[in-house]
Amino acid sequence: QKEVEQNSGPLSVPEGAIASLNCTYSDRGSQSFFWYRQYSGKSPELIMSIYSNGDKEDGRFTAQLNKASQYVSLLIRDSQPSDSATYLCAVIVSGSGDKLTFGTGTRLAVRP
Amino acid sequence: GAGVSQSPRYKVTKRGQDVALRCDPISGHVSLYWYRQALGQGPEFLTYFNYEAQQDKSGLPNDRFSAERPEGSISTLTIQRTEQRDSAMYRCASSLSTGGLETQYFGPGTRLLVL
Repeated sequence: QKEVEQNSGPLSVPEGAIASLNCTYSDRGSQSFFWYRQYSGKSPELIMSIYSNGDKEDGRFTAQLNKASQYVSLLIRDSQPSDSATYLCAVIVSGSGDKLTFGTGTRLAVRP
Repeated sequence: GAGVSQSPRYKVTKRGQDVALRCDPISGHVSLYWYRQALGQGPEFLTYFNYEAQQDKSGLPNDRFSAERPEGSISTLTIQRTEQRDSAMYRCASSLSTGGLETQYFGPGTRLLVL
């Protein structure tokens, strides 16, 4: 079982719709959770971080964490074509230092 | 301000040669990380430093890989006797401090191709 799992996609949504990206993790000691966006040929950039159960909203983005279910998700409201990218879920496991463990990423395509 | 920089951006080498990849973190950032990213995959941890101290090198694939950060700023990842399977994008990241709560900012990466 991979430590961080994501559906590779592609996830295709129409412009203006809500895109829902999901991630599960295997280590219950995971303490910090991150969503990175990576455009093709570019480096990952952080868009959301979440550390406690519940929802965290930032503009059009909402991260949701459920530690009991070992599940973290990212919702993108009013999706725009410029949101088309690969979204990487990453976790830091308690006691492992600060190293990020990434999933394989989900490709999102927003259709105009 | 300047972000994380890496050099060279592209490196083509022949199998068996040594290569050195350089990372210049954001000024003042305490922590520096090296990752390797294969096509279609997420970055995979290699090693990281706090200041000049190497905290974790568990992700280095074998003893041909080494890294240093002698003055707590610029870091070099060295691969000796390169093999074709070493071909990948090597990414460096830095963060302001430790503790798992700080954002890791990624550099543009070095694309390594071993022929």
